[in-house]
Amino acid sequence: EAAVTQSPRNKVTVTGGNVTLSCRQTNSHNYMYWYRQDTGHGLRLIHYSYGAGNLQIGDVPDGYKATRTTQEDFFLLLELASPSQTSLYFCASSETNYEQYFGPGTRLTVL
Amino acid sequence: EQQVQQSPASLVLQEAENAELQCSFSIFTNQVQWFYQRPGGRLVSLLYNPSGTKQSGRLTSTTVIKERRSSLHISSSQITDSGTYLCAMEDDTNAYKVIFGKGTHLHVLP
Repeated sequence: EAAVTQSPRNKVTVTGGNVTLSCRQTNSHNYMYWYRQDTGHGLRLIHYSYGAGNLQIGDVPDGYKATRTTQEDFFLLLELASPSQTSLYFCASSETNYEQYFGPGTRLTVL
Repeated sequence: EQQVQQSPASLVLQEAENAELQCSFSIFTNQVQWFYQRPGGRLVSLLYNPSGTKQSGRLTSTTVIKERRSSLHISSSQITDSGTYLCAMEDDTNAYKVIFGKGTHLHVLP
């Protein structure tokens, strides 16, 4: 089974702070995704990538940057964090669109 | 406009009762799948069911694409079934994007 790990698992920062969320998958999937999950909104796609060096814009990209450095690693960057970015963040990988494997999530709090 | 709608939003059952979860969608798709999530936990794929009926253990999914709906039946519910069930499907404008419903929160009581 595909393994997707995320770090850190919990993060607290202050408004204006810089945050980097990391995701690694070990099954050489081409596609990787970053989602945020909020009560009342469900899962929303921030950015995704179909290979090293590639980046695609998702549905809620404002305030987020992402970088895919290798086949395995996908990073989400918040350069000026705001309280509205307090959320539960999930990374996922897939080789097909109907079999996404999710990481355990990162809970981010912006004070 | 919400493209994937799930009902009910929440459901409380007594252990051993059956549950019926519904998903309806406004987009044209042929990729429907169901996920399970414990509170604050990772999403786990339960069933991929593009059409017809598919069963996995106590879970049965029925998808009727032309009517743009899918259901998930949980038989003989257990306390450990408690959590959120999400319906998801391929974005009809982008094959590698997946659109999720907001989920049905299931609480099974002893």
